[in-house]
Amino acid sequence: GENVEQHPSTLSVQEGDSAVIKCTYSDSASNYFPWYKQELGKRPQLIIDIRSNVGEKKDQRIAVTLNKTAKHFSLHITETQPEDSAVYFCAASWWTALIFGKGTTLSVSS
Amino acid sequence: EAQVTQNPRYLITVTGKKLTVTCSQNMNHEYMSWYRQDPGLGLRQIYYSMNVEVTDKGDVPEGYKVSRKEKRNFPLILESPSPNQTSLYFCASRSQGANEKLFFGSGTQLSVL
Repeated sequence: GENVEQHPSTLSVQEGDSAVIKCTYSDSASNYFPWYKQELGKRPQLIIDIRSNVGEKKDQRIAVTLNKTAKHFSLHITETQPEDSAVYFCAASWWTALIFGKGTTLSVSS
Repeated sequence: EAQVTQNPRYLITVTGKKLTVTCSQNMNHEYMSWYRQDPGLGLRQIYYSMNVEVTDKGDVPEGYKVSRKEKRNFPLILESPSPNQTSLYFCASRSQGANEKLFFGSGTQLSVL
């Protein structure tokens, strides 16, 4: 089945710096890759997603890149702010399921 | 408002006492699923349902049951809860097609003593 590896597990940055979280997947048939942000005590919220026919997608300070050949995709957050502090999950579609990475705890200090 | 409603928000129970966590969505989604979230393990799928009366096991189905008698509801049943089922549970529903997105409920924090 599909396996999604996410790195790093924790990431600390200074406000204004960029943050990058990377994920790899195992099944080349996966074609949908969302990213979720989960604040403490809340549900995961979709922040950006990308399909396998697109190499990059941006939404303001957030971007996702996909390398199908290498089977990895990354989340880029620029000009980080304290409110970006949360746990971020990547996921890859596999048949009818979404397989999640184990999460990255991002801490942005001011 | 489009949403996935999950109840209860918090639940404390004892080993062996049957419980049900309810989940309802108002978006007419065919696909619904249950996840558990444990520290360091991320979100793991317990069961999912592609449509009414169609359910299937996810990655960690042992000790759980589900039913899908109507499209909007997808309850999670623990017939005989054990302490290793202490976890944060999320119900989710998903739109299909080119715009598929997974919507999560607010979560149920379960403690089994």
